[in-house]
Amino acid sequence: EAAVTQSPRSKVAVTGGKVTLSCHQTNNHDYMYWYRQDTGHGLRLIHYSYVADSTEKGDIPDGYKASRPSQENFSLILELASLSQTAVYFCASSEDRGLAEQFFGPGTRLTVL
Amino acid sequence: AQSVTQPDARVTVSEGASLQLRCKYSYSATPYLFWYVQYPRQGLQLLLKYYSGDPVVQGVNSFEAEFSKSNSSFHLQKASVHWSDSAVYFCALSRNNYAQGLTFGLGTRVSVFP
Repeated sequence: EAAVTQSPRSKVAVTGGKVTLSCHQTNNHDYMYWYRQDTGHGLRLIHYSYVADSTEKGDIPDGYKASRPSQENFSLILELASLSQTAVYFCASSEDRGLAEQFFGPGTRLTVL
Repeated sequence: AQSVTQPDARVTVSEGASLQLRCKYSYSATPYLFWYVQYPRQGLQLLLKYYSGDPVVQGVNSFEAEFSKSNSSFHLQKASVHWSDSAVYFCALSRNNYAQGLTFGLGTRVSVFP
């Protein structure tokens, strides 16, 4: 069965600190995505990638970097965490088709204090 | 620009009653459309998707959705809900009709009472 895992599941960070969120998929999918979900809101796309060593900006990339070292792994990096980045972060993967289902991880709850 | 609007933030229904969740989209062409469900403290799971063909599409767990190009809508329905259908439901469309991520609505929280 398709699987997307995320680590850590929960994290508390300090303002100005560096945070790295990790995502691993065993779906053999080329496409991977990072979304953030704020309380009471839908998901918004931060970055995505369609091949290793390459990333693309999504709708809200400011304040975030992404890294795709391999097909299976996709990281989201907050170089200088801010209070406004407190949210739940979801990673997803999909095949290379517009109508392809995205498989989501369980999410990482990030609190920046 | 593309967008998805879900006008109902919360819906409360009795177990066994029917359910309709509304979704309106804005896109220059016929979009790839999806409905996802999010159970508490979990990731999203696909209910159904649509691009072309029969405007009524069947999904998992007896959900179905009807596409209307004239109304720019993709409403989700279920004839008889169960308490386990309590969740948040998201309508989404594929960015640029390619695998470049999804644009989501704000979601509708459904509460099913016995």
